[in-house]
Amino acid sequence: DIVMTQTPDSLAVSLGERATINCKSSQSLLYSSNNKNYLAWYQQTPGQPPKLLIYWASTRESGVPDRFSGSGSGTDFTLTISSLQAADVAVYYCQQYYGIPYTFGQGTKLEIK
Amino acid sequence: QVQLQESGPGLVKPSQTLSLTCTVSGGSISSGSYYWSWIRQPAGKGLEWIGRIYRSGSTDYNPSLKSRVNISIDTSNNQFSLRLSSVTAADTAVYYCARAPRDTDLVYYFDSWGQGTLVTVSS
Repeated sequence: DIVMTQTPDSLAVSLGERATINCKSSQSLLYSSNNKNYLAWYQQTPGQPPKLLIYWASTRESGVPDRFSGSGSGTDFTLTISSLQAADVAVYYCQQYYGIPYTFGQGTKLEIK
Repeated sequence: QVQLQESGPGLVKPSQTLSLTCTVSGGSISSGSYYWSWIRQPAGKGLEWIGRIYRSGSTDYNPSLKSRVNISIDTSNNQFSLRLSSVTAADTAVYYCARAPRDTDLVYYFDSWGQGTLVTVSS
């Protein structure tokens, strides 16, 4: 199985400040035939299902605010929220869809400082 | 806009079989553009992919659960189902159904999720 490890486990950021969450995979998620990274980011608020934010490591899902951005390639990836809003308080997960079984990071809890 | 809705018993006894159904609306489960998955989340914990099915009935399962899992599809009712046998307290979780786009033999991220249903395993 591909192991996904997120850092940190929790994060407190002031409103309007930048939040950065890291995700590392145990093997490369870069598919050579199309040069795409098979990595997605989700946001989960309490009592709700995960919501897709980013796919292909850096493509924002339709309707997701542009303060959310994804970067990275191979085994190291980052989700950045450029200016934290109160609505961004949530748990964030990375997920690889490179191979079966699909696996998720353990989650990063983002709070307001 | 596609919607997915899980349904089934919220309480299952140990050693019995957990059965859930996901009803898809606003889109056809027979569409060749998607795979359909089950994912679970124990309270306060992370997400675990259980398995997936295609319109043809082709399935893939998480090896950690493969011996106990069966996923089936009912295209006439636009539903797919999960059966998990020999359950224990460790199977207590919120169970989600989700959709993943596909392209030829490649399957991608989960772009639509159901609201989830809590299943508790207890006598």
